[in-house]
Amino acid sequence: DVKVTQSSRYLVKRTGEKVFLECVQDMDHENMFWYRQDPGLGLRLIYFSYDVKMKEKGDIPEGYSVSREKKERFSLILESASTNQTSMYLCASSTNVWNTGELFFGEGSRLTVL
Amino acid sequence: KQEVTQIPAALSVPEGENLVLNCSFTDSAIYNLQWFRQDPGKGLTSLLLIQSSQREQTSGRLNASLDKSSGRSTLYIAASQPGDSATYLCAANNNDMRFGAGTRLTVKP
Repeated sequence: DVKVTQSSRYLVKRTGEKVFLECVQDMDHENMFWYRQDPGLGLRLIYFSYDVKMKEKGDIPEGYSVSREKKERFSLILESASTNQTSMYLCASSTNVWNTGELFFGEGSRLTVL
Repeated sequence: KQEVTQIPAALSVPEGENLVLNCSFTDSAIYNLQWFRQDPGKGLTSLLLIQSSQREQTSGRLNASLDKSSGRSTLYIAASQPGDSATYLCAANNNDMRFGAGTRLTVKP
């Protein structure tokens, strides 16, 4: 079975802190994604990557950056956390070019910024 | 830009009922459509993936259909159980995955 692992299930950070959210997949997938999910707003794409060292902005990239140094790992970085970044963050991966494969999600990381 | 709508937003049924969840999308030029289940506070679990060339997919008590020309997909759940209670989301893929807001299903014992 495909496994997408998010290192932290729950985090509490203070405004202005730098936050790292880590995601690892074990199926050699080319594509990896970071979403955030908020009540009433659904899932929104922050960043995605089709290959190592490659990244593309999604719908809401402001305030975030990403890193993909290895194929299996995709990190989301909040350079200076703000309260409006309190959310559930979901990592996903899929195989195939042009994102035609099945999308698999991790368990999510619930971030609270105080 | 693709828009995905799921109706109803919430549904409550007694155990044992067969039910249908609906998903509509505005751009029919999709590569595939995927159905997910989400339990409270958890990530999304993939249920079924239907490629654009397919009409339906089945897994156990679940059956998903796809009608690209009308921009619709349905998820049929047979003989519902309390363990089926969750939020069900569909996502349409035009090389850019767009999600519906989900249908929150409650199955009462």
